[in-house]
Amino acid sequence: EDKVVQSPLSLVVHEGDTVTLNCSYEVTNFRSLLWYKQEKKAPTFLFMLTSSGIEKKSGRLSSILDKKELFSILNITATQTGDSAVYLCAVINTNAGKSTFGDGTTLTVKP
Amino acid sequence: DGGITQSPKYLFRKEGQNVTLSCEQNLNHDAMYWYRQDPGQGLRLIYYSQIVNDFQKGDIAEGYSVSREKKESFPLTVTSAQKNPTAFYLCASSILGLAGEQYFGPGTRLTVT
Repeated sequence: EDKVVQSPLSLVVHEGDTVTLNCSYEVTNFRSLLWYKQEKKAPTFLFMLTSSGIEKKSGRLSSILDKKELFSILNITATQTGDSAVYLCAVINTNAGKSTFGDGTTLTVKP
Repeated sequence: DGGITQSPKYLFRKEGQNVTLSCEQNLNHDAMYWYRQDPGQGLRLIYYSQIVNDFQKGDIAEGYSVSREKKESFPLTVTSAQKNPTAFYLCASSILGLAGEQYFGPGTRLTVT
């Protein structure tokens, strides 16, 4: 059975801090790993990673995948209160219809 | 505007009643999914469908049923056999074959008392 473990489960920081969120996985026939941000309701897409060592970047957020060690990290620099959310990691196996999500990391950024 | 709609936003039912949650998309996506989210937890896959008239059980399908008669629609029925139906239900869709980004609807919060 596919498995995704995110750490830490929750994190409280102050504005301007840098945070690193972790996602480790066990999946048969890995296809891709995705990061989502969930603020109140629907998760919104952040990154999709398929190859090791290639950093994806969007503004203050960046992510990288290590397919040998089976993990990914999501970095957020110069955090803002608007970054407060649950960050979800999901892996997709080669059966394109099936994805497995982790329990998420709840990030709280205080002013 | 393209997107996914779910209705209703909030739903209240008495124990023992079946209830159907609506999910419609106009993104022309082949694949659609239903997830359940409980407090402090991630998303768990209930059912998914890659094409019309075909669907597969996810990790927690017991007590749920779906249909996929049209590409745009993927309704989920929560039956009385589901032991703990109170949860937040999310519908999503994606372009089949890209194994990538899923687009999520706004969700339906179901409360069964």
